[in-house]
Amino acid sequence: GDSVTQMEGPVTLSEEAFLTINCTYTATGYPSLFWYVQYPGEGLQLLLKATKADDKGSNKGFEATYRKETTSFHLEKGSVQVSDSAVYFCALSLFSGGYNKLIFGAGTRLAVHP
Amino acid sequence: DSGVTQTPKHLITATGQRVTLRCSPRSGDLSVYWYQQSLDQGLQFLIQYYNGEERAKGNILERFSAQQFPDLHSELNLSSLELGDSALYFCASSVGTDSSYNEQFFGPGTRLTVL
Repeated sequence: GDSVTQMEGPVTLSEEAFLTINCTYTATGYPSLFWYVQYPGEGLQLLLKATKADDKGSNKGFEATYRKETTSFHLEKGSVQVSDSAVYFCALSLFSGGYNKLIFGAGTRLAVHP
Repeated sequence: DSGVTQTPKHLITATGQRVTLRCSPRSGDLSVYWYQQSLDQGLQFLIQYYNGEERAKGNILERFSAQQFPDLHSELNLSSLELGDSALYFCASSVGTDSSYNEQFFGPGTRLTVL
C-alpha cells in the first residue's frame, strides 16, 4: 500500500550545522509530497511542498526535491538554528477513490543546540 | 495561525465517558479531516467530510463518529472512552478534495486524556 518512511530520530545538531532528513515513499499513483513541521505544543504547519517530479519546494531556508527515480523527498537546510527544533513529518497526498488522502511518515524529531 | 480553530484545547475525562471535539475550518474551505496523533500509532487519518457529506473513512473506531454541519464546522464524537484513546486529535481543512495537491491546513489540536 501507499506509505512514507522517514529516518528515525532524534537528530541532534549544533547550531549552523547542515541538516538532512531522509524521506522515501511508496505510492500507487502520482502523489504530491509535503513536509510538515510541528513545534512543541502546536499543530502541524505546512513547511514546503512539491507536486510533480523534479519540483523543488523551499521555505525558510529548507529545501526538498521530488525525486521520482528514487521515490524520495529528502529535507535539507544549510544552517540550522535553535528555533528549528521541532518534529518534521514527510507526507504524500494522493487523489484516490474520489478523495484526497494524506499519508504521514512517523516523524523525525530535530534538536538543535547552541 | 492556520485559520483552523479547535475547541477545547485540553480535555480530561474518565473511561466510559463521551466527549465532543469541535473544529471550525478556514474560511472558504469545504473539506474537513480528522486525525489522531498518539505515541505508538503516529498520525492516523480518521475521517473526512466534504460540504456536509462523509467522503472518506480511515482508521476510525466504531465508537467514534463525526459530522459536518451546514455552517461547515465539524464535530468528532468519541464514546465509551478507553485509556488508549488518550491522544492529540487534529482537525484539518482544505478547499476541496479533487486533487492530490489540495493543501491541508491543520488546527492546533485537542489533547484528550482519559483517566
